[in-house]
Amino acid sequence: GEDVEQSLFLSVREGDSSVINCTYTDSSSTYLYWYKQEPGAGLQLLTYIFSNMDMKQDQRLTVLLNKKDKHLSLRIADTQTGDSAIYFCATNGNFNKFYFGSGTKLNVKP
Amino acid sequence: EAGVAQSPRYKIIEKRQSVAFWCNPISGHATLYWYQQILGQGPKLLIQFQNNGVVDDSQLPKDRFSAERLKGVDSTLKIQPAKLEDSAVYLCASSPEGPDTQYFGPGTRLTVL
Repeated sequence: GEDVEQSLFLSVREGDSSVINCTYTDSSSTYLYWYKQEPGAGLQLLTYIFSNMDMKQDQRLTVLLNKKDKHLSLRIADTQTGDSAIYFCATNGNFNKFYFGSGTKLNVKP
Repeated sequence: EAGVAQSPRYKIIEKRQSVAFWCNPISGHATLYWYQQILGQGPKLLIQFQNNGVVDDSQLPKDRFSAERLKGVDSTLKIQPAKLEDSAVYLCASSPEGPDTQYFGPGTRLTVL
């Protein structure tokens, strides 16, 4: 099956940019996703990128995809304390089957 | 548009007891997923339905877990008997036809004592 890897923690100061990285193994993924999970809540879709794109920008969020290296990143500009959460990278493969990383906990210090 | 609904939100049981969770997906979504999320980990797919047929249940512990999706809409996930290691959040998600995103419910937090 697919292997999706993320670093466990990231700590930034309010106002700085955050970059969360993800690597995956299945090159057949059609879409790649970023989800946000706040304490006690379900997963909220933040953004996704089609596999034939290199970059997607959505307000403060920028997704970069390096298909050759199977590397996905999420950049959050002007990070706020409300961005503190766990961020999950996910891919979808055959039959719309999703694989999730273990999550990166983002801590934003005031 | 109403989101994915799940109930109950919380459940505490003793080991060897049975428990059932319910999910109502977004109207019109053909695909329904059940995930298990253990504390500190990402969601792990348990079972995936396409309408009322099973697409993937390779990671469902079939000796104790069962799931059904009658009429291709609502779904229930059952654990019988529960073990301590089943303590987790059980997430339901749905997605429309074709490669697309999926939308998650709030989850059911199960504690097995």
